[in-house]
Amino acid sequence: GAGVSQSPRYKVAKRGQDVALRCDPISGHVSLFWYQQALGQGPEFLTYFQNEAQLDKSGLPSDRFFAERPEGSVSTLKIQRTQQEDSAVYLCASSLVDRGRNEQYFGPGTRLTVT
Amino acid sequence: GQNIDQPTEMTATEGAIVQINCTYQTSGFNGLFWYQQHAGEAPTFLSYNVLDGLEEKGRFSSFLSRSKGYSYLLLKELQMKDSASYLCAARGGYQKVTFGTGTKLQVIP
Repeated sequence: GAGVSQSPRYKVAKRGQDVALRCDPISGHVSLFWYQQALGQGPEFLTYFQNEAQLDKSGLPSDRFFAERPEGSVSTLKIQRTQQEDSAVYLCASSLVDRGRNEQYFGPGTRLTVT
Repeated sequence: GQNIDQPTEMTATEGAIVQINCTYQTSGFNGLFWYQQHAGEAPTFLSYNVLDGLEEKGRFSSFLSRSKGYSYLLLKELQMKDSASYLCAARGGYQKVTFGTGTKLQVIP
């Protein structure tokens, strides 16, 4: 079956522009996570949804970052007024539930470059 | 808070065995994951431990000691394709998963 998909795969934005990154999780997966991964680092947690409810947004680095999942499936991560330090790969992951052995399945990521 | 420590880099020879260690501190604990990530690709699931002991899956095994906040990933019969980053990740009390910075493993002939 289809895995997690993300679009666009690559995005170049000028500093100050707004960007929107999309994630299509695996059908039926309840939990959805967004991570930010800088070069040579592990994924850093940004936010977590259970269905349409955003249960944890403690990892969002500033109020320029906003995520939504209005119908409990597709999610969008929006970054307003992008800064150079926002350049990273943004990974989306979904899991059937968020407990037990249920591992997270990752999408290919969106590589954001802010110039 | 949550903190994960693992070595930054390791080198091992094709056909050998390598052990990648990970120590963690979490607010609550609900399981320890290992993921493999090839350069430029997404992480893929390798193993999950929630109880103490060794879990074996083919050439890969993972060990957990909850009392010591310690885990390791053991890779046997190393192959060149095993060259990748190996991410240790701990799930805390509120289901949030915290990843380490990853151990970049280079397998040499």
